[in-house]
Amino acid sequence: DAGVTQSPTHLIKTRGQHVTLRCSPISGHKSVSWYQQVLGQGPQFIFQYYEKEERGRGNFPDRFSARQFPNYSSELNVNALLLGDSALYLCASSFAGGDTEAFFGQGTRLTVV
Amino acid sequence: TQLLEQSPQFLSIQEGENLTVYCNSSSVFSSLQWYRQEPGEGPVLLVTVVTGGEVKKLKRLTFQFGDARKDSSLHITAAQPGDTGLYLCAGVPGNMLTFGGGTRLMVKP
Repeated sequence: DAGVTQSPTHLIKTRGQHVTLRCSPISGHKSVSWYQQVLGQGPQFIFQYYEKEERGRGNFPDRFSARQFPNYSSELNVNALLLGDSALYLCASSFAGGDTEAFFGQGTRLTVV
Repeated sequence: TQLLEQSPQFLSIQEGENLTVYCNSSSVFSSLQWYRQEPGEGPVLLVTVVTGGEVKKLKRLTFQFGDARKDSSLHITAAQPGDTGLYLCAGVPGNMLTFGGGTRLMVKP
């Protein structure tokens, strides 16, 4: 079985641009969460989606948005990129979210220049 | 805001040594998870502890959840170079994981 897949693996963008990151969860998993991991720090929660509805949102500005599709895949969008948005963006898949086990993808390394 | 503090931030030891890393919070968590993350990879779940005072063993790794469910420790016996990585604890308060800053462990042969 395929694990959590994220695309692209690496991305370089210029300040002010927008970016779309994609995540495909493990087959059968209905919940996707997004995390931002700045170099040298632990991941920080951005969003969780379950059955296409937002179940939780972390302390991130409105420039960050996400959605989940009927096939449970998800997109994370970031507008008006800032240098500080440079980070590893991780997607985690779980059957139902909450206390159930989360499986992480390899992440998308975003560099904003 | 529920915060998790991990200590030490960095640890460099020789192969064969024992070590303990800590994860502390002022908040109570319904459960706590430990992950290991290697460069260029996402975190991989090692263990979930649920009951206050619980101790779980995974080969040379021993995990303990504090009685009050506010803290946890990870003890590694006879560390090996393959144990090198970033160790993250994460609390599970509902819909999201709250991660600590991590302990970066390097085990030298």
